[in-house]
Amino acid sequence: AQSVTQLGSHVSVSEGALVLLRCNYSSSVPPYLFWYVQYPNQGLQLLLKYTSAATLVKGINGFEAEFKKSETSFHLTKPSAHMSDAAEYFCAVSPRNSGNTPLVFGKGTRLSVIA
Amino acid sequence: GAVVSQHPSWVICKSGTSVKIECRSLDFQATTMFWYRQFPKQSLMLMATSNEGSKATYEQGVEKDKFLINHASLTLSTLTVTSAHPEDSSFYICSASRRRGEYSNQPQHFGDGTRLSIL
Repeated sequence: AQSVTQLGSHVSVSEGALVLLRCNYSSSVPPYLFWYVQYPNQGLQLLLKYTSAATLVKGINGFEAEFKKSETSFHLTKPSAHMSDAAEYFCAVSPRNSGNTPLVFGKGTRLSVIA
Repeated sequence: GAVVSQHPSWVICKSGTSVKIECRSLDFQATTMFWYRQFPKQSLMLMATSNEGSKATYEQGVEKDKFLINHASLTLSTLTVTSAHPEDSSFYICSASRRRGEYSNQPQHFGDGTRLSIL
């Protein structure tokens, strides 16, 4: 079984400050990990993914995440927050990248950016 | 551009009405489609997995007769909420995955969701 824990349901940062959204996973097999962003009343947009290649993954909009097996973590970071980054962020895990296995999502972290 | 189209985006209807939501893969054949439900300020919960040409597999606690899923073609899956009641009000999101062996940069492509409000 797989699971994802996102620490902090709400994170608030100042514009220009570092963004750090935490994600820890549990998996009995090597996982594939994803971060999605959701804006109000919209679907999910893939930010980045880890699929067993480089452990530091760069995504869209300046986000990146580092897979740390020893810590079972996949935290999302961005050096400088923009107002447009305010949204809900979901970490997700999959046992394999076949596409026929549903993703398991964390509970989400709402990011607020203060001017 | 969007590779998965979900329609309608917003539905408001009276209690007792049945509502059909469509999920279409626009430029690829989707062997598998997933239906998720999301309550306000909560995460996505998988409702069912839909494979083309076969019966959907429902997650525990999801009523099969309440949420009818049809995946008749490789580009279309539908979710019908039968005799909807206010407690069925939620945000429903579908996703589609390509056939095995087809190149994709992500395992699933998500629709934009359908907000269902039952009065």
